[in-house]
Amino acid sequence: DAGVIQSPRHEVTEMGQEVTLRCKPISGHNSLFWYRQTMMRGLELLIYFNNNVPIDDSGMPEDRFSAKMPNASFSTLKIQPSEPRDSAVYFCASRAQVANSNQPQHFGDGTRLSIL
Amino acid sequence: GEDVEQSLFLSVREGDSSVINCTYTDSSSTYLYWYKQEPGAGLQLLTYIFSNMDMKQDQRLTVLLNKKDKHLSLRIADTQTGDSAIYFCAERPPGTYKYIFGTGTRLKVLA
Repeated sequence: DAGVIQSPRHEVTEMGQEVTLRCKPISGHNSLFWYRQTMMRGLELLIYFNNNVPIDDSGMPEDRFSAKMPNASFSTLKIQPSEPRDSAVYFCASRAQVANSNQPQHFGDGTRLSIL
Repeated sequence: GEDVEQSLFLSVREGDSSVINCTYTDSSSTYLYWYKQEPGAGLQLLTYIFSNMDMKQDQRLTVLLNKKDKHLSLRIADTQTGDSAIYFCAERPPGTYKYIFGTGTRLKVLA
């Protein structure tokens, strides 16, 4: 079975440029999460979608960050303009939200972002 | 408040058992998870336990839960070099979407 698919796997760009990270959740999963992982802060939840609707974006660091989920099989996380402190590994995870059932999150392999 | 704490590092010899510890603070019933992260990869779910259970075993993995102390441990029997990774503990109260992750414990297996 295909897991959560993220692209690109690596991105190196200069500060000020727009960065777009992509995620394809597992088919049938109706919850999607974007995380950022750094050595200093560990794993931080940026935004959570349920049925394509953003439910909690309190973890989005600044207005430079935006996320969309136009349909059940695709989501993007955009940073514009990018800054060196945005360098991190960004993970997408999806989950099937079923009442009274424990469905765990499944993670993609992440996008390693370096802003020069 | 919600917090999940883990020690940062653990080093064991190949063939020995590894025990990775975690404490959580949520006072309600909760789901507790162990994830493994290998270099350059995402978090892979290893196992999970609900807080009304004391123990769960799955091949070389044993999860023990001390509800009174809110202490969770993951024991890996016959640790192999392929077990070297970062192990994350996480909790999620039922009915919520938010996973509270620990800082991760980096396990190093010495040959």
